[in-house]
Amino acid sequence: DAGVIQSPRHEVTEMGQEVTLRCKPISGHNSLFWYRQTMMRGLELLIYFNNNVPIDDSGMPEDRFSAKMPNASFSTLKIQPSEPRDSAVYFCASSLDRSSGNTIYFGEGSWLTVV
Amino acid sequence: AQSVTQLDSQVPVFEEAPVELRCNYSSSVSVYLFWYVQYPNQGLQLLLKYLSGSTLVKGINGFEAEFNKSQTSFHLRKPSVHISDTAEYFCAVSDQLQTSYDKVIFGPGTSLSVIP
Repeated sequence: DAGVIQSPRHEVTEMGQEVTLRCKPISGHNSLFWYRQTMMRGLELLIYFNNNVPIDDSGMPEDRFSAKMPNASFSTLKIQPSEPRDSAVYFCASSLDRSSGNTIYFGEGSWLTVV
Repeated sequence: AQSVTQLDSQVPVFEEAPVELRCNYSSSVSVYLFWYVQYPNQGLQLLLKYLSGSTLVKGINGFEAEFNKSQTSFHLRKPSVHISDTAEYFCAVSDQLQTSYDKVIFGPGTSLSVIP
């Protein structure tokens, strides 16, 4: 299996611009997660989808952030407008189902720098 | 709600020496416990997990961890480390409630540096 695929791997953008991060989960997985990793705050769960439906978006920092999952094989995380404090590594991850205890598989991350 | 504490933010250790990375958790219900490793510029990958049964869990790359319910700990150990073990290690917890989804709570991470 190809694993969780994220794009772009690296993005540098100017403050105020829209940023779209993309994710393809592992085929057959029906849970998808977006995490943000920073030195200051560590690894934070932003949003969780199960069967393409957003279940918990309590970690989304503010209205500038939005996430969609139009089908089982694709998800996006959008930041509009972007700010320097959004600079972080954004990870997409997937797992087989909603049962606790299942392994979460991470992508290699999208490194975002907002200048 | 669960929480995870990793007492050591950085652990330097000489090659071929043993290492223990400490993890403590708090939860009002029974939990599942995980250790993930993150190599530089990569995502996290599972090292091992405790779901039930034997409290000593063996994982990949020679790592093992022991679940201690009375001390609410899940420390990670390796008897002899290698340079390639240099990475960030994350302890994580999720509760066993059947109605709960995979809300896995990650600790702040421990940076293991293996010195030649």
